[in-house]
Amino acid sequence: AQSVTQPDIHITVSEGASLELRCNYSYGATPYLFWYVQSPGQGLQLLLKYFSGDTLVQGIKGFEAEFKRSQSSFNLRKPSVHWSDAAEYFCAVGPGLTGANNLFFGTGTRLTVIP
Amino acid sequence: DAGVIQSPRHEVTEMGQEVTLRCKPISGHDYLFWYRQTMMRGLELLIYFNNNVPIDDSGMPEDRFSAKMPNASFSTLKIQPSEPRDSAVYFCASRSGTAKNIQYFGAGTRLSVL
Repeated sequence: AQSVTQPDIHITVSEGASLELRCNYSYGATPYLFWYVQSPGQGLQLLLKYFSGDTLVQGIKGFEAEFKRSQSSFNLRKPSVHWSDAAEYFCAVGPGLTGANNLFFGTGTRLTVIP
Repeated sequence: DAGVIQSPRHEVTEMGQEVTLRCKPISGHDYLFWYRQTMMRGLELLIYFNNNVPIDDSGMPEDRFSAKMPNASFSTLKIQPSEPRDSAVYFCASRSGTAKNIQYFGAGTRLSVL
C-alpha cells in the first residue's frame, strides 16, 4: 500500500539555522516525489519534485531535497532558514510511469522559526 | 494564468443546510481533484476527474457528498445535508495530462458547519 510518513509533527528552528524535514514513503513502483508548502490560510505550493536522474533536486526559495532509494526517503533541506519559511510542509508521492493519478500526502510538518 | 480559483473562501452554515463549493481549474488542465484537509485526517483525496469525467470517487465519505464537472472550466462539490463533522478546508487542484502528476492547488474553502 502507498503511504507517506513525516515523523516530525512540529519543528522549531532559529532564523539562520539549517533545516531538515524528514519524509519516508512506501510505494510499490518507481515513484514521483514532491514537497509542497502551505502558508497559513493558503493553498499548497509546489516546492520541488523528483522524477528521475540526479537524486539531489533543487527547488524554489532555496530548498533542496535528496532522494535515497535504499532508505525510501526524500528529505527536505535548507541551509539557512528565514522567518518567512514558517509554514506547513507536505511530502507527497505519486505514480511514476503508470497507475492512478492521485498523490498520497504525508500528514505534514509544521515549521516555526524563532528570531 | 490566475491559477486554480475556489469560491467561496469561507463558508459558515448550519447543520442540515446544503453547501456548494466551486472550483475553476487552470485553463488547459484536464485533471481536477477535490481534497479535504482536517487536523485529524490530514489531506484526503475525495474525487478526481479527467476530461470532466469522474475517475475515482472512492474517497467521497458518504452519499451526502457529490461532485460534478459540467465543463472543462468548472466543478462543484456539494454537501447535502451538511453536518458539523464536515467542517474542514476543501481544496481543489488541477493538472495537465502531460505534467507528470504536478498538481496546482487553489487557496481552499474553509467550511464551518454549526
